[in-house]
Amino acid sequence: NAGVTQTPKFRVLKTGQSMTLLCAQDMNHEYMYWYRQDPGMGLRLIHYSVGEGTTAKGEVPDGYNVSRLKKQNFLLGLESAAPSQTSVYFCASSQVPGLGLQYFGPGTRLTVL
Amino acid sequence: AQSVSQHNHHVILSEAASLELGCNYSYGGTVNLFWYVQYPGQHLQLLLKYFSGDPLVKGIKGFEAEFIKSKFSFNLRKPSVQWSDTAEYFCAVNALGNNDMRFGAGTRLTVKP
Repeated sequence: NAGVTQTPKFRVLKTGQSMTLLCAQDMNHEYMYWYRQDPGMGLRLIHYSVGEGTTAKGEVPDGYNVSRLKKQNFLLGLESAAPSQTSVYFCASSQVPGLGLQYFGPGTRLTVL
Repeated sequence: AQSVSQHNHHVILSEAASLELGCNYSYGGTVNLFWYVQYPGQHLQLLLKYFSGDPLVKGIKGFEAEFIKSKFSFNLRKPSVQWSDTAEYFCAVNALGNNDMRFGAGTRLTVKP
């Protein structure tokens, strides 16, 4: 049981490049989330999904897109990376969001030059 | 939308000192409340949670938190901290009926041996 995994762990992009971050969970959770963590700002919700084929915007969705084609995977895309998107990205999953049993992935450190 | 405020950005204590980290949220309805901990180099882990009932909840590693509804607060406490408690602590709120969870900016705790 791997829990929540994220790929890649590190990435450096140039401004304007695109990339996709992959989150995978093997717990059959319905809910999945993408957060970014920045110093002094904690975790901010980018997008989330309440089930396969559904997505919703969080606090800071601009510049990101997501897809949940399979229940176990939640992809976060940056179409045209900007330096302001330099951050650590965490994926999380939960069976029921109100129970707070969000399982977090190890994070992806992204630097945009 | 709900928001979470953590007033202490960085707290420095000596071992055996008592700890209290403040957390206030802004939401008038029913909420579920959580504290998460992030040890250096690791991802977030759930420390404790409050759903209903006794407003004083106990978590792992000797931590506890008290929900004071009239003050919209959920402060984290520990009577005697250890060097191993050095970490970043995040308060989080889930409003009943909402699918997302909002985090505070975090409080970095440094415990000096």
